Amino acid sequence: DVKVTQSSRYLVKRTGEKVFLECVQDMDHENMFWYRQDPGLGLRLIYFSYDVKMKEKGDIPEGYSVSREKKERFSLILESASTNQTSMYLCASSPPTGYQPQHFGDGTRLSIL
Amino acid sequence: AQKITQTQPGMFVQEKEAVTLDCTYDTSDPSYGLFWYKQPSSGEMIFLIYQGSYDQQNATEGRYSLNFQKARKSANLVISASQLGDSAMYFCAMSHNQGGKLIFGQGTELSVKP
Repeated sequence: DVKVTQSSRYLVKRTGEKVFLECVQDMDHENMFWYRQDPGLGLRLIYFSYDVKMKEKGDIPEGYSVSREKKERFSLILESASTNQTSMYLCASSPPTGYQPQHFGDGTRLSIL
Repeated sequence: AQKITQTQPGMFVQEKEAVTLDCTYDTSDPSYGLFWYKQPSSGEMIFLIYQGSYDQQNATEGRYSLNFQKARKSANLVISASQLGDSAMYFCAMSHNQGGKLIFGQGTELSVKP
């Protein structure tokens, strides 16, 4: 069974901390994505990557960065966490060709205190 | 601008009845894909159904069907014979690039009553 695994389901951090959210997929997908989900706003794209060491900004990249050193792993980094980054974070992956559905991880509920 | 709109924040349906969740989209690109996802309270996103812009027939997957009206730019999800386990958030999404990023609607919370 295909799998996208996010390192934590729940995470509590303090303002100003550097926060790492990890995502690993076992489907050999080229494309990986990080979304943020907030009530009434749906999912919004933070960053995405079409290849190793490649990254592109999504719709709301401010305050975030990403790293993709290996094909299967895509990390989201909150450089200096702030309370307005309290949210649900979802990682997804997909093949590069065709309109294939994205496969999602279970999400990380991040609280910044 | 590319946009997905779901105008129903919340809906109720009686068990065993059918329900339609609305989705309209805005794009000038002739090639696109439309997706519906289900998100239970546990948080995971579950892919339900896909419709391509060039598909001639409406997509169906078991109890799910997509009512695709291209001229009206709508892609409504129809769930037949609702079950209690259908209670969840439902998201409509659109992609323009093959394998590319998705644009999501705001979501509709569906509650199935026994």
